[in-house]
Amino acid sequence: KQEVTQIPAALSVPEGENLVLNCSFTDSAIYNLQWFRQDPGKGLTSLLLIQSSQREQTSGRLNASLDKSSGRSTLYIAASQPGDSATYLCAVTRDSNYQLIWGAGTKLIIKP
Amino acid sequence: KAGVTQTPRYLIKTRGQQVTLSCSPISGHRSVSWYQQTPGQGLQFLFEYFSETQRNKGNFPGRFSGRQFSNSRSEMNVSTLELGDSALYLCASSSSQDRDNEQFFGPGTRLTVL
Repeated sequence: KQEVTQIPAALSVPEGENLVLNCSFTDSAIYNLQWFRQDPGKGLTSLLLIQSSQREQTSGRLNASLDKSSGRSTLYIAASQPGDSATYLCAVTRDSNYQLIWGAGTKLIIKP
Repeated sequence: KAGVTQTPRYLIKTRGQQVTLSCSPISGHRSVSWYQQTPGQGLQFLFEYFSETQRNKGNFPGRFSGRQFSNSRSEMNVSTLELGDSALYLCASSSSQDRDNEQFFGPGTRLTVL
């Protein structure tokens, strides 16, 4: 059974720092991995999607990496800003199945 | 291009009632998935519909059901509501022609059961 873990559960850093969020999964047979952002009481915004055959994806100040063999993904945020404060969730799909299996999220606070 | 829309945004019901939630996917998307989000359990998959057929189902009781119409709009129904059904219900759409299977989410419907 696939399990997704995100550590830490919460993180508070000063503005301007570079930071890394971690996501691990127990079964390496994934189709893809997605990183999402959720603002309080709101829906989910897709940030980056990495196919199982890829190693990383970049969008602006965000970079996500994937190491399938070790069951790990990281989300790197460069030059953090207060507007980056949100909960970040990672999720994996098994094969081409659309079912997303979720981590519990990391609540990120960027202090001005 | 309009995003995923969900109606209503907020609902308050009492135990024993039933509720229907609606989701309109991004134009051209034929897959719609539903998720429940609670503080205790996090995000959990309910079911996925494609071309009016349920393709995949999570581990929820039969009180949770859904359907999809020919225009890809989907509805989710919960009967005999329980206090534990209070949650944010999210739907996501995906293009069957997108190899990435990237899912795009709506704003959610917040259901409160009293």
